[in-house]
Amino acid sequence: GEDVEQSLFLSVREGDSSVINCTYTDSSSTYLYWYKQEPGAGLQLLTYIFSNMDMKQDQRLTVLLNKKDKHLSLRIADTQTGDSAIYFCAESPAGTALIFGKGTTLSVSS
Amino acid sequence: DAGVIQSPRHEVTEMGQEVTLRCKPISGHNSLFWYRQTMMRGLELLIYFNNNVPIDDSGMPEDRFSAKMPNASFSTLKIQPSEPRDSAVYFCASSRDRAETQYFGPGTRLLVL
Repeated sequence: GEDVEQSLFLSVREGDSSVINCTYTDSSSTYLYWYKQEPGAGLQLLTYIFSNMDMKQDQRLTVLLNKKDKHLSLRIADTQTGDSAIYFCAESPAGTALIFGKGTTLSVSS
Repeated sequence: DAGVIQSPRHEVTEMGQEVTLRCKPISGHNSLFWYRQTMMRGLELLIYFNNNVPIDDSGMPEDRFSAKMPNASFSTLKIQPSEPRDSAVYFCASSRDRAETQYFGPGTRLLVL
């Protein structure tokens, strides 16, 4: 089936690293995405990775892609309270709309 | 660019009333998407258009929901008659093409009493 799976909740302490995991199903996906939704707001593109890459780093964010296992992860280093949000993983099957996961709620405590 | 524009931002209505949500996509984007977000079901794709033509409406809950895109810069999502279970946040998003990066509007928070 066309399901993007994510765990629903993650709780970390300020300063720790957060790792949000995602599995997808369509190997034709050219890009894989991470979106962030802050309370009361719409989804904003956080980062994306091209399917021929294994890793992408952008400041505190590291995206890892394992194409063999269809596994995507987002690591946030030195997590801050402002990182508290819902994080959505999405795949881009060829010729059709993005498919989003249900979202992982990240809670950061001080 | 102003981004995706949605109106109204908040809507409170009574059961049985007609509700119309509006969306203006980013200029030059050919694909437009309507989503619904609730605590129970998360983010659901309702319908999407490519070049103003509806491509996939399999996510539309029932006949009470309808969507139109009369031109490249405007779309509506209508609920008639509305029911309390329609209460949710409705998002519009647009992209250059259907499989490309989507940009979301701020959402319309709908409460049906």
